[in-house]
Amino acid sequence: DTAVSQTPKYLVTQMGNDKSIKCEQNLGHDTMYWYKQDSKKFLKIMFSYNNKELIINETVPNRFSPKSPDKAHLNLHINSLELGDSAVYFCASSQAGGPKNIQYFGAGTRLSVL
Amino acid sequence: QKEVEQNSGPLSVPEGAIASLNCTYSDRGSQSFFWYRQYSGKSPELIMSIYSNGDKEDGRFTAQLNKASQYVSLLIRDSQPSDSATYLCAVNMNNFNKFYFGSGTKLNVKP
Repeated sequence: DTAVSQTPKYLVTQMGNDKSIKCEQNLGHDTMYWYKQDSKKFLKIMFSYNNKELIINETVPNRFSPKSPDKAHLNLHINSLELGDSAVYFCASSQAGGPKNIQYFGAGTRLSVL
Repeated sequence: QKEVEQNSGPLSVPEGAIASLNCTYSDRGSQSFFWYRQYSGKSPELIMSIYSNGDKEDGRFTAQLNKASQYVSLLIRDSQPSDSATYLCAVNMNNFNKFYFGSGTKLNVKP
């Protein structure tokens, strides 16, 4: 049983489209994250939610809108996709907030914008 | 200056050798440090975490932390071809939930 699952695994779409990525964790964790990994492997935090509340919102364009219907789910909706949005998006979760908490990552969603 | 810096490599070592991976960070108030391994096309997985100055050993892996010099390293003893991957250093910089990652060092272990 996968601990942190993301769907879809691959997403190919045209510029200007709107798409969503879903994430679910069955670890009972309170905190969930979205990261973007570019072609140079640089992994950058986008958002963090703790118990459905947004606690970190990095300088991400407002075309990106996260939604957490409950603490086990964190979805990412992207409007008006651009070429520069092409990357691998990882969802992660941790037991609670705090510096010692280990993050568990989903398998990633490879987004290609044409 | 990036928050977390790593040499991108590739670092090539022969099988059985010690691989040494280094990471420096910018915020002196950083509290916790992690090494993740990422195989090509896969997600990062935790190898080690370290919170106090000194060494922490787990099997063939040793993490070393020096807060005064603001660096953290990972030593892999008896390197195996299966250790070939990108190793990501992550740092929590005195923030409740915010973790900064380096861009990773690619390690190649040659049989």
